[in-house]
Amino acid sequence: EAQVTQNPRYLITVTGKKLTVTCSQNMNHEYMSWYRQDPGLGLRQIYYSMNVEVTDKGDVPEGYKVSRKEKRNFPLILESPSPNQTSLYFCASSLHDSFYEQYFGPGTRLTVT
Amino acid sequence: DQQVKQNSPSLSVQEGRISILNCDYTNSMFDYFLWYKKYPAEGPTFLISISSIKDKNEDGRFTVFLNKSAKHLSLHIVPSQPGDSAVYFCAASLNAGNMLTFGGGTRLMVKP
Repeated sequence: EAQVTQNPRYLITVTGKKLTVTCSQNMNHEYMSWYRQDPGLGLRQIYYSMNVEVTDKGDVPEGYKVSRKEKRNFPLILESPSPNQTSLYFCASSLHDSFYEQYFGPGTRLTVT
Repeated sequence: DQQVKQNSPSLSVQEGRISILNCDYTNSMFDYFLWYKKYPAEGPTFLISISSIKDKNEDGRFTVFLNKSAKHLSLHIVPSQPGDSAVYFCAASLNAGNMLTFGGGTRLMVKP
């Protein structure tokens, strides 16, 4: 089944404790991206990647890191999480020439206390 | 400042009637617009899109209208079904770039 998977689905952590949210897709998509969803603000793009070893900042990259060492994986790293990073996170992927039609993962709800 | 806005956080419609979801944008350079649909505990799914060279695109019960002079687009669902109850996000892309700018979403409730 074609899909985007994220782990974990739910995470509660404390300020400053490094964490990684994994994202994997099995559709051989070149394009991958990370979003956060906050009430009233919709989805805001954090980082995106056009292909392996190519990443770029989105609208709200501060406090996040990403890497794209393999085509299928695009982990999101929070080196020192803070409470304002409490949010619902989505990973998405698409073919390069149709990046508009992105396939989203099920989301990761992160709470930072 | 949000470049894409959905001013109605929620909308309630009777089954069988038309649902109209609205979206306004401020950046005249946006050249591609999309609607995504999101059910609870799931990621958004692509619904329908429209290029700025068109003013209408139709796919089954879903039609998107674009009014470039007013910087406004709308999604019409006819007839509405209870399974359409979800949050709908509009999104826009700039000059065939690689980023999507999303609106805040509208929660649609279709009552049986």
